[in-house]
Amino acid sequence: AQSVAQPEDQVNVAEGNPLTVKCTYSVSGNPYLFWYVQYPNRGLQFLLKYITGDNLVKGSYGFEAEFNKSQTSFHLKKPSALVSDSALYFCAVTSVGSSNTGKLIFGQGTTLQVKP
Amino acid sequence: NAGVMQNPRHLVRRRGQEARLRCSPMKGHSHVYWYRQLPEEGLKFMVYLQKENIIDESGMPKERFSAEFPKEGPSILRIQQVVRGDSAAYFCASSPQTGTASTDTQYFGPGTRLTVL
Repeated sequence: AQSVAQPEDQVNVAEGNPLTVKCTYSVSGNPYLFWYVQYPNRGLQFLLKYITGDNLVKGSYGFEAEFNKSQTSFHLKKPSALVSDSALYFCAVTSVGSSNTGKLIFGQGTTLQVKP
Repeated sequence: NAGVMQNPRHLVRRRGQEARLRCSPMKGHSHVYWYRQLPEEGLKFMVYLQKENIIDESGMPKERFSAEFPKEGPSILRIQQVVRGDSAAYFCASSPQTGTASTDTQYFGPGTRLTVL
């Protein structure tokens, strides 16, 4: 069965410091990986995705993520955090398999708190 | 270009009533997904629809829940005889199907927050 793990419920970082939000996955077949951000009482906003090609993916708002096949990871990173980055972050996966319907399997989410 | 629209944003129902949640996809998108976010849980897939077709309903509860996406009009998620455990945020997402379903980006609406009293 496909699954996504976000091992940290919360990540705290000081403004201006680099941030990392961790994600590991388990799928049969090629993984297609996504990051979304959710602000309070809002829907999910798409940040970036990895489908194929360069392992380093750049996305919105200065975020990037690195696909690591051997470690089955897709960690989200940003060189310099902003207070406005404080939100709930979700990693998700789909894969080509017997049911290629595109349903997203989400991790539990990681709350990012950036302190001034 | 308007994003995914969902209404109502907040819905309060008493136990036993029906809840109807509506989703209008982004312009040009013909694929709709519904997800549920229960308190203290992550988002869970419910159903995937194309116009007039249910493609994947593997995440739908077996009873009381149904979904449709008619040729004209929004997609509807219907919950009959609601119970307190149905209280959650329900999100709709749409995608354009430019590639395969697995690689397309899904764009989410603001959600409908259902409260069952």
